[in-house]
Amino acid sequence: DTAVSQTPKYLVTQMGNDKSIKCEQNLGHDTMYWYKQDSKKFLKIMFSYNNKELIINETVPNRFSPKSPDKAHLNLHINSLELGDSAVYFCASSQVGVGGSTDTQYFGPGTRLTVL
Amino acid sequence: GEDVEQSLFLSVREGDSSVINCTYTDSSSTYLYWYKQEPGAGLQLLTYIFSNMDMKQDQRLTVLLNKKDKHLSLRIADTQTGDSAIYFCAESIDDYKLSFGAGTTVTVRA
Repeated sequence: DTAVSQTPKYLVTQMGNDKSIKCEQNLGHDTMYWYKQDSKKFLKIMFSYNNKELIINETVPNRFSPKSPDKAHLNLHINSLELGDSAVYFCASSQVGVGGSTDTQYFGPGTRLTVL
Repeated sequence: GEDVEQSLFLSVREGDSSVINCTYTDSSSTYLYWYKQEPGAGLQLLTYIFSNMDMKQDQRLTVLLNKKDKHLSLRIADTQTGDSAIYFCAESIDDYKLSFGAGTTVTVRA
């Protein structure tokens, strides 16, 4: 069984379009995350949700809007896509926060977004 | 990220030991982590160390932590071709945030 799944795996779209990436975890975790990995493999956190509540929003343009319908899902909606949004987006989850416990973050396989 | 620095590339011969180094800036980090990313895949936790430890060994992996110098290293003994990947160092900033280094690409040559 896949622990953290993302759809789609690949997404190619035109500049200006609106798109969504879905993430689901079946681990019963309370916290979910979205990361962006650029072409140089640099990984940076975008958002973190704990029990459907936004915990972290790391200076991400407001064209990016995460939505958590329940604690097993954290979807990422992107409006007015730009060339610079091209990257691999990773979803992750953990039981609780990572700073005070040994609970690891489990990562999804990633969604490669290409904006033309 | 700006807070965690790693060398970008490491080439090692199969059977030799690999040592990947990392420096971090947040002295209050509770945990420090090493993640592995294979091509086309997500990140996989390899090991972690609690900040009050100096060393942790887990099979072929040895983590050394020098808290005074904020230096973390990962040693892989008897490196195999399957160890070729990108290795990320990460520090816990707070309860919900990890700060990652840029990753070290390890290439194992025969």
